Amino acid sequence: GIQVEQSPPDLILQEGANSTLRCNFSDSVNNLQWFHQNPWGQLINLFYIPSGTKQNGRLSATTVATERYSLLYISSSQTTDSGVYFCAVSGNRGSTLGRLYFGRGTQLTVWP
Amino acid sequence: DADVTQTPRNRITKTGKRIMLECSQTKGHDRMYWYRQDPGLGLRLIYYSFDVKDINKGEISDGYSVSRQAQAKFSLSLESAIPNQTALYFCATSDLQGSNTGELFFGEGSRLTVL
Repeated sequence: GIQVEQSPPDLILQEGANSTLRCNFSDSVNNLQWFHQNPWGQLINLFYIPSGTKQNGRLSATTVATERYSLLYISSSQTTDSGVYFCAVSGNRGSTLGRLYFGRGTQLTVWP
Repeated sequence: DADVTQTPRNRITKTGKRIMLECSQTKGHDRMYWYRQDPGLGLRLIYYSFDVKDINKGEISDGYSVSRQAQAKFSLSLESAIPNQTALYFCATSDLQGSNTGELFFGEGSRLTVL
């Protein structure tokens, strides 16, 4: 399979601060997604980003596929950003095709 | 209504009981997945299906079975539940046909507790 490592494992911020979450992966990928799991357990799609850069409001993501990493930027954090952020990838060969491998997540806590 | 619906959302059962978790989707996707989430471990793949006649084991299939009854329905069974199967279970769908990218979409999860 593909190894996915996320850092940091935990992050505590004051409201208004900016942050960067990192995802490293061990093989070439054809799919990379970022998810936010809210305190109620729901998994919310943030970005589908196998390469390049995307922005959605205060969130943006960049994937450098050739160097096997992706970054999620959160600007002007709000308490509603709290939760766990997951990175997941799928490969483009053999048994890694079509199945997403997840990192262990970054637990973000934003306090007022 | 949610595009990917899981039932039940919460279930408490006893060791040795048979449990079925059901998933249905209205997205028209060919691919369906069952994942398990344990605290601190992220999500791990149990089984996946790329079409109605296709079933594949994931990372942690022991103790589980699945049935793809139709394109829109994919159920997960625990034949004889044990306490270490206590977890949050997610169904997901994706598709690579047409303009679809293979992006994964999740249901709201089914929390299972085995006593």
